[in-house]
Amino acid sequence: DGGITQSPKYLFRKEGQNVTLSCEQNLNHDAMYWYRQDPGQGLRLIYYSQIVNDFQKGDIAEGYSVSREKKESFPLTVTSAQKNPTAFYLCASSPGGSGSQYFGPGTRLTVL
Amino acid sequence: SQQGEEDPQALSIQEGENATMNCSYKTSINNLQWYRQNSGRGLVHLILIRSNEREKHSGRLRVTLDTSKKSSSLLITASRAADTASYFCATDAAGANSKLTFGKGITLSVRP
Repeated sequence: DGGITQSPKYLFRKEGQNVTLSCEQNLNHDAMYWYRQDPGQGLRLIYYSQIVNDFQKGDIAEGYSVSREKKESFPLTVTSAQKNPTAFYLCASSPGGSGSQYFGPGTRLTVL
Repeated sequence: SQQGEEDPQALSIQEGENATMNCSYKTSINNLQWYRQNSGRGLVHLILIRSNEREKHSGRLRVTLDTSKKSSSLLITASRAADTASYFCATDAAGANSKLTFGKGITLSVRP
């Protein structure tokens, strides 16, 4: 099955801890994206990568880090520097260019 | 930065009725896309309309784009209870390097 997966579905973190969210796609897409969604809000772009070994900051990159060592994988680390990390995190991929994006099922992160 | 603004914020209709949702944006675009999100899930791409197109159909969906007014509408005909979801417009702004900017979404409730 082709698709984009995120794990885990739910994640709990203590304050002061870093945590890494997984995103994997087997669609052979060049571009991958990380978004944050807060209740009743739209999606805000954290980081995006248009090609392996390259990524750019989105609108709210502070307190987050990413890597793109493989085409299939784009993990997001939420660091302790992120002041309000509790949110729903969505990963997406696209073939690149001005096309539609394919979304994973999301990871709900809760800071205790 | 929020490029797309949807209207209304919430819409409640009876099954079988049509649902019309609007989106306004601020800058020149390459294309505008509509997505659907069921509660707690990832987004699903519905339809993409390019800046040189005025109307597009896909099944029960009809999208229009008026670039002079910087607005788009999504019409769902003969709505079903299963159409209950949040709907987002997303703009691919000219020069934005394939990044999408999402609005805050419209919550559609279809009563059986």
